[in-house]
Amino acid sequence: GESVGLHLPTLSVQEGDNSIINCAYSNSASDYFIWYKQESGKGPQFIIDIRSNMDKRQGQRVTVLLNKTVKHLSLQIAATQPGDSAVYFCAEITDSWGKLQFGAGTQVVVTP
Amino acid sequence: NAGVTQTPKFQVLKTGQSMTLQCAQDMNHNSMYWYRQDPGMGLRLIYYSASEGTTDKGEVPNGYNVSRLNKREFSLRLESAAPSQTSVYFCASKEGVRNEQFFGPGTRLTVL
Repeated sequence: GESVGLHLPTLSVQEGDNSIINCAYSNSASDYFIWYKQESGKGPQFIIDIRSNMDKRQGQRVTVLLNKTVKHLSLQIAATQPGDSAVYFCAEITDSWGKLQFGAGTQVVVTP
Repeated sequence: NAGVTQTPKFQVLKTGQSMTLQCAQDMNHNSMYWYRQDPGMGLRLIYYSASEGTTDKGEVPNGYNVSRLNKREFSLRLESAAPSQTSVYFCASKEGVRNEQFFGPGTRLTVL
């Protein structure tokens, strides 16, 4: 079936640098795409979402880009901090009930 | 507000035993969800409840039952636990048409 997946399992970033986390999706019918952050031992935490009719959306230190032509989603984190170390998941909303379909996740490790 | 709470935090079962995972939210959300997360993977939806009195299957419902006891509480029951159900279980809730799901801290379940 159609699914959401990530390109890189682990990303090492130096503190202060920008991070880019990538995600490929295959379900063209999804209305929204979402990024979640999961710290060790905790539940996922919503970061930002983007509607399928948008190309870019910015939040606090984060930017999500959506390229529907190649079915690619990315999350950019500006000036990465130690507190950004976590697993990042992309997910898509698959129906009107808000059901999420998650990708496998990318581990981001911030080094000093 | 406590947000989404889950009990217990940890549980070890023997094959064939039954148990109920409890979830409660104090945000007056209509929609609630149960996910499981296996090591190194994203979350998969087990069951969801769009509103009090309604429940429906997600991606991986086999071996589970749910009860939406009232607006606050949504429980997940394993009638006869199997080793394949060893996982971390997350409950989440959502307000109306908003995309953000709020997750609980998870229950780590081991079935021997």
